[in-house]
Amino acid sequence: DTAVSQTPKYLVTQMGNDKSIKCEQNLGHDTMYWYKQDSKKFLKIMFSYNNKELIINETVPNRFSPKSPDKAHLNLHINSLELGDSAVYFCASSQEGNTGLAEAFFGQGTRLTVV
Amino acid sequence: QQQVKQSPQSLIVQKGGISIINCAYENTAFDYFPWYQQFPGKGPALLIAIRPDVSEKKEGRFTISFNKSAKQFSLHIMDSQPGDSATYFCAASFSGTYKYIFGTGTRLKVLA
Repeated sequence: DTAVSQTPKYLVTQMGNDKSIKCEQNLGHDTMYWYKQDSKKFLKIMFSYNNKELIINETVPNRFSPKSPDKAHLNLHINSLELGDSAVYFCASSQEGNTGLAEAFFGQGTRLTVV
Repeated sequence: QQQVKQSPQSLIVQKGGISIINCAYENTAFDYFPWYQQFPGKGPALLIAIRPDVSEKKEGRFTISFNKSAKQFSLHIMDSQPGDSATYFCAASFSGTYKYIFGTGTRLKVLA
């Protein structure tokens, strides 16, 4: 039973297209994230949501629009895809407890290739 | 400053040896320091984590050493095994920030 699941795992698309990546977590966590991992393996926060509310938008172009219909889902829609958007996108979730943030659980990633 | 600096970028260790990866941070507000392990084609997975009220935490072959005054922490992998070959990320966060700041990663290869 996968804790954080993303679909699709692979996405190949042409420049200028619009695409979406879906994420669901069954851990009951309040906080969900999108991270981008580039070809050098750098992991950079894009967005974080807490209880369906956007908390962090880390200077991401507005072609990227996250949507959280409920606490268990955080989807990422990308408009007008560019070559530089090619990367692996990870969804994650965590729960902040009395002592602060705890373990973040990551999905398997979506490898986006823009051609 | 919200960066976490990680070194080395890559590491090759013989089977049975000790792998050591170091991280340094600037922001003294950080209060949670996890290490993540990532295998090719997979998402990062938590390996071990520490909070600044302790100087060391050990789980099996994995140990975090934490030096609050130097603002540094490190991961030691004892008796390294080929199955430990992966990319390791240190990270840091603090309550209320709703994000984890990751180091740049260390690609570890353990030779059989």
